[in-house]
Amino acid sequence: DAGITQSPRHKVTETGTPVTLRCHQTENHRYMYWYRQDPGHGLRLIHYSYGVKDTDKGEVSDGYSVSRSKTEDFLLTLESATSSQTSVYFCAIRPSGRGLGSSYNEQFFGPGTRLTVL
Amino acid sequence: DQQVKQNSPSLSVQEGRISILNCDYTNSMFDYFLWYKKYPAEGPTFLISISSIKDKNEDGRFTVFLNKSAKHLSLHIVPSQPGDSAVYFCAASATNTDKLIFGTGTRLQVFP
Repeated sequence: DAGITQSPRHKVTETGTPVTLRCHQTENHRYMYWYRQDPGHGLRLIHYSYGVKDTDKGEVSDGYSVSRSKTEDFLLTLESATSSQTSVYFCAIRPSGRGLGSSYNEQFFGPGTRLTVL
Repeated sequence: DQQVKQNSPSLSVQEGRISILNCDYTNSMFDYFLWYKKYPAEGPTFLISISSIKDKNEDGRFTVFLNKSAKHLSLHIVPSQPGDSAVYFCAASATNTDKLIFGTGTRLQVFP
């Protein structure tokens, strides 16, 4: 258990409304990630963070923004939700203490947030 | 362009037999590969990994094989159990990158 929680776990919203999803970790890991999972697409990276206030885009970042003001929290915001953003969103961490290099690229996932945009 | 491909969306195997899940990749810079297992309504869980300096890694009933020349890896589960029924994702990364690239997943069903 990597101590990752996501909130809310389920959310239904309407097109055009802003939505913020929260990922919280308890173990001070430096790296945090946001993915979305869709049928036929697997897991696709939206944004990730490599430290407080340090973030970078993933492959499907359009329509999403992130913020990380504290080590333990990584927020994903949909400024104006669209139906194409209906998905299951997963947060992940990469354990601290592991240097750069592919030998340490295991990531551990939270339980997910199911978002429906009507 | 899908850099990591799992061409079989689903696989059905009888309990006690071997399950073989396949994964192909296109990026020759990938040098570390992982398998994740996902149950419905849960997050993916890390299962097993392999570095490109090896061609096999074993952990209990799970073995991952890597064929670098073919850019192919496979996950073997022996013997398969009903609790192994889940979606399995293959993932890859390259040295000094912070990101994993995932395949589209294979749904494994193990029946009695």
